[in-house]
Amino acid sequence: AQSVTQPDIHITVSEGASLELRCNYSYGATPYLFWYVQSPGQGLQLLLKYFSGDTLVQGIKGFEAEFKRSQSSFNLRKPSVHWSDAAEYFCAGGSSNTGKLIFGQGTTLQVKP
Amino acid sequence: EAGVAQSPRYKIIEKRQSVAFWCNPISGHATLYWYQQILGQGPKLLIQFQNNGVVDDSQLPKDRFSAERLKGVDSTLKIQPAKLEDSAVYLCASSLQAPDVQYFGAGTRLSVL
Repeated sequence: AQSVTQPDIHITVSEGASLELRCNYSYGATPYLFWYVQSPGQGLQLLLKYFSGDTLVQGIKGFEAEFKRSQSSFNLRKPSVHWSDAAEYFCAGGSSNTGKLIFGQGTTLQVKP
Repeated sequence: EAGVAQSPRYKIIEKRQSVAFWCNPISGHATLYWYQQILGQGPKLLIQFQNNGVVDDSQLPKDRFSAERLKGVDSTLKIQPAKLEDSAVYLCASSLQAPDVQYFGAGTRLSVL
């Protein structure tokens, strides 16, 4: 069955430190992959997407993600975290046929001053 | 460009009552999705429309949930009768086509007492 797993439920980093959020997927074929961010009381905002091509994808707010087929991973990274990055982050895999998204459980990011 | 509009933002009802949510997608977007997000979990697809036809409603509890997208634009999701476990945020998303990037509304937070 198709699935997306985010192993870390909660992560705390210091402001200015680097960040990596993990995402693993299980799909028969390479899915479309996304990272979304959700602030309290808000909808989901797209950070970046991978459809095909270059495996290192740049997104908004200084985020990037790397697609690694051999590890079935699509980890999100940021070199220097800002306090405003505190939020919930969701990785999602999309069917290349229907577009249906399967979301991971989310990772809550806390940023220490 | 206007985003996905949803109303109401919040709704509190008692169990066994009925409730309806409304969504207006981004202009020109053919595909519309309804997701249910239970606290602490990632969104789960309830139903996907392509124009005014249903593409996927496999996870919609059809004994109590219904949705329609008349004229292929606005959509309404209804719950009748509501149960305690229906307490969640209901997110609407739209995309130009499927598969493609999905843009999310702010959601409707439903509390069933």
